[in-house]
Amino acid sequence: DIQMTQSPSSLSASVGDRVTITCRASQSTSNFLNWYQQKPGKAPLLLIYTASTLQSGVPSRFSGSGSGTDFTLTISSLQPEDFATYYCQQTYTTPPTFGQGTNVEIK
Amino acid sequence: DVQLVESGGGLVQPGRSLRLSCAASGFTFDDYAMHWVRQTPGRGLEWVSGISWNSGNIGYAESVKGRFTISRDNAKNSLYLQMNSLRVEDTALYYCAKGSMIRFGGVPYAMDGWGQGTTVTVS
Repeated sequence: DIQMTQSPSSLSASVGDRVTITCRASQSTSNFLNWYQQKPGKAPLLLIYTASTLQSGVPSRFSGSGSGTDFTLTISSLQPEDFATYYCQQTYTTPPTFGQGTNVEIK
Repeated sequence: DVQLVESGGGLVQPGRSLRLSCAASGFTFDDYAMHWVRQTPGRGLEWVSGISWNSGNIGYAESVKGRFTISRDNAKNSLYLQMNSLRVEDTALYYCAKGSMIRFGGVPYAMDGWGQGTTVTVS
């Protein structure tokens, strides 16, 4: 199975900050990489697919980049509704696997 | 809008069985693969099983292979997970998720719709 490792595991940031989350795969996943947002008590929500394509309805302050083994999720200007946990996921091989999550907290 | 409603969770003893159901609406069900994903505080998000649009391609996590069976009824817009020989470590919140493609594997895909989950407790 491909192991996905996110860093940091948690971060504290203020509204308006630029936030970057990194995801590293144990082997190449090409661009078969997705990002999800999950708020407490809610299901995950797809933000970005194929590494850099914004899902319909997702604000443009979210962006993704990378290919192969190294990927990044960036929030250009953090908003109050963005405080949540973010997960990367590879779907290059079966089973698809998720990172352990990055918790974005209010500073 | 995609709507997925899971049911069938509950408290069950180790070794017993449970059947989860997922009722889908708001999209053409038989145009997409479907998945079960579970979540625990300790293990995070874990893919359990997936099924292509016509049930021709099915996959399982190694941890549930031989014990769980995924199925779908396109006429009823429903997804199922039959869980046998349940173990304490199967305790989790189980989500039904819509795939973004007709199948999974070999093509880039994501899970672009999720239900609210149903809780399974094995104790």
